[in-house]
Amino acid sequence: GAVVSQHPSWVICKSGTSVKIECRSLDFQATTMFWYRQFPKQSLMLMATSNEGSKATYEQGVEKDKFLINHASLTLSTLTVTSAHPEDSSFYICSAHDLLAGGYEQYFGPGTRLTVT
Amino acid sequence: KQEVTQIPAALSVPEGENLVLNCSFTDSAIYNLQWFRQDPGKGLTSLLLIQSSQREQTSGRLNASLDKSSGRSTLYIAASQPGDSATYLCAVRPGQAGTALIFGKGTTLSVSS
Repeated sequence: GAVVSQHPSWVICKSGTSVKIECRSLDFQATTMFWYRQFPKQSLMLMATSNEGSKATYEQGVEKDKFLINHASLTLSTLTVTSAHPEDSSFYICSAHDLLAGGYEQYFGPGTRLTVT
Repeated sequence: KQEVTQIPAALSVPEGENLVLNCSFTDSAIYNLQWFRQDPGKGLTSLLLIQSSQREQTSGRLNASLDKSSGRSTLYIAASQPGDSATYLCAVRPGQAGTALIFGKGTTLSVSS
């Protein structure tokens, strides 16, 4: 099946700094990627839909100025957490469809654990 | 708005038991439904995907069924093993291909030896 990678797998940063997380589709082109956030013992919540070459679509309650999403190519989307605070500590997971294969299945990256101190 | 509910939230069984995990969704207009496994601190492993036109899918000891009209899916695990211990997530894709999955909160399974 299709492979999605994320980098870094974990990151610790100080409050007030910014962190960038990369999501790559390794063997397919993804016109759309999704970013999810998962708090401890909670389910995955969709944060935004990242569209190649256009602005991301954010879910209600997600601050677009705080969570900057860039999808500059068909294989790369980035999520930048700006001015991070401890409450942003979470597990961030990206996913993508392989639309050329029909878009039936959503493939997930391994996730990035963010800890803000 | 589509909502996905999983029952029970947690389940403990002895090794060898057959078990059923339940998933319900409020809007029957789904494109497909997917079951995932998540180990602590890890990402998602896709287990089974059922298209809206299908009734069930099987993979090894796992069988997932879908009753779209009633908004329900079940994941059946046969002859459970300690290695099956994990959180199982149900997710539905509303509408058409290309839309994001909506997840339930999961069922945390513990299988004791």
